[in-house]
Amino acid sequence: DAGITQSPRHKVTETGTPVTLRCHQTENHRYMYWYRQDPGHGLRLIHYSYGVKDTDKGEVSDGYSVSRSKTEDFLLTLESATSSQTSVYFCAISEFSNEQFFGPGTRLTVL
Amino acid sequence: QKEVEQDPGPLSVPEGAIVSLNCTYSNSAFQYFMWYRQYSRKGPELLMYTYSSGNKEDGRFTAQVDKSSKYISLFIRDSQPSDSATYLCAMRGGSGGSNYKLTFGKGTLLTVNP
Repeated sequence: DAGITQSPRHKVTETGTPVTLRCHQTENHRYMYWYRQDPGHGLRLIHYSYGVKDTDKGEVSDGYSVSRSKTEDFLLTLESATSSQTSVYFCAISEFSNEQFFGPGTRLTVL
Repeated sequence: QKEVEQDPGPLSVPEGAIVSLNCTYSNSAFQYFMWYRQYSRKGPELLMYTYSSGNKEDGRFTAQVDKSSKYISLFIRDSQPSDSATYLCAMRGGSGGSNYKLTFGKGTLLTVNP
């Protein structure tokens, strides 16, 4: 998986609790992305980062925030999880080329 | 109209068949085209990346782009059971600005039967 790890790999939580997902890369790539994947919707971009402390919103950013204090780490936070945020979350990285490489995913269930 | 349309299938073929997977798009700004393969409960894996109209071949896989028709295809020759996966097309605009963001099709589920 191109030197990308995600943690945790699985998480079950309750509505209203905060959740943080971590993406860690060893490739020193500049760009990092968070996607969610849902049946019928495919992969949708939540937030992305184009450098340390440089982040921007994707198409489904409501209810999510991100932080990137180091090149290798990109955190996705659900401030108050809702059932609609039950999904599989993928982190991806890219350098100045077009190829994005994906991590193994985090399966999140919000009860 | 969705920016990228991809038939979700499912598509079931016998081993050894030639498989054709397709996507259409509406945004003429898309310049770079990718195919990803995703096995069940795994992350997407980049298979092919193309820019120009025409064909690009890599082993049993051929990616085809027709920018005039806004249509891309992935052909798999001599399909194997190990090719059973969901295939996602993805595309983006040219360089500069936010054009590194990918737009994905919803994926086509392929099963190759032994």
